[in-house]
Amino acid sequence: SQQGEEDPQALSIQEGENATMNCSYKTSINNLQWYRQNSGRGLVHLILIRSNEREKHSGRLRVTLDTSKKSSSLLITASRAADTASYFCATAYSGGYQKVTFGTGTKLQVIP
Amino acid sequence: DGGITQSPKYLFRKEGQNVTLSCEQNLNHDAMYWYRQDPGQGLRLIYYSQIVNDFQKGDIAEGYSVSREKKESFPLTVTSAQKNPTAFYLCASESRDNYGYTFGSGTRLTVV
Repeated sequence: SQQGEEDPQALSIQEGENATMNCSYKTSINNLQWYRQNSGRGLVHLILIRSNEREKHSGRLRVTLDTSKKSSSLLITASRAADTASYFCATAYSGGYQKVTFGTGTKLQVIP
Repeated sequence: DGGITQSPKYLFRKEGQNVTLSCEQNLNHDAMYWYRQDPGQGLRLIYYSQIVNDFQKGDIAEGYSVSREKKESFPLTVTSAQKNPTAFYLCASESRDNYGYTFGSGTRLTVV
C-alpha cells in the first residue's frame, strides 16, 4: 500500500532554529496531512494540504506540496522545546474514502 | 468539549485471552478508524468504518474484530488469534468534510 516516507528519521536542533522535515510518496493523492505525536500520546492534526494547493501556513508551520515530485515539506520556524515530538505525514488516496496512510515519522528534538 | 476517548490507557492480556479496547467519540463524525503503532514505526490500519453497521478490513485485520452498532462507538477486540498483539492502539475519527483525523490518546496493550 502507498506510504509516505519522512526524511530525516531524526533531527536535533537548538531552540530558535528552524526545522524542516520532508515527505515523499508514490502515487497520486487527494491530500496530504501532517501530524504531531508527543511520546506515548495520540496524534494531533497540524495541517492538511490538498493536491491543488502548493503552500499552506498555520502559525509557525509552513507546508509545501509538489505533486510533480510527489513530495511535501513541513517547516517549523523559531522552534521551541515544546516542539519536541515525532512528526508524521499522511497521504490520502485520490478516489475512495479518506483512508490515509502514515509514514514512519521524523523524530524532532529541540534543545533548550 | 468534543473529542475521542479511548479506554483503558493500559491493558494487560494473558496468552489466549480476548480483550476489547473502547473508543467513543462525541464529534458526530461518520468515519472511525483503528490503527496499530509499534515502537519507532508509523501507523498501520486495522479496521475502519464509514457508517453505522458497516466496517472494512484495513491492512492488518487478521486477529482483530470490530463492531459499529452506534455512531459514537467503535470497539476493537484483539482475539487470541493475534499472535503479536503487544502494541500501541490508536482510534481516530473524521467528518465528511475531510479536514483530517481526530485521534484518541491511545491504549497500550501488553501480553503477559
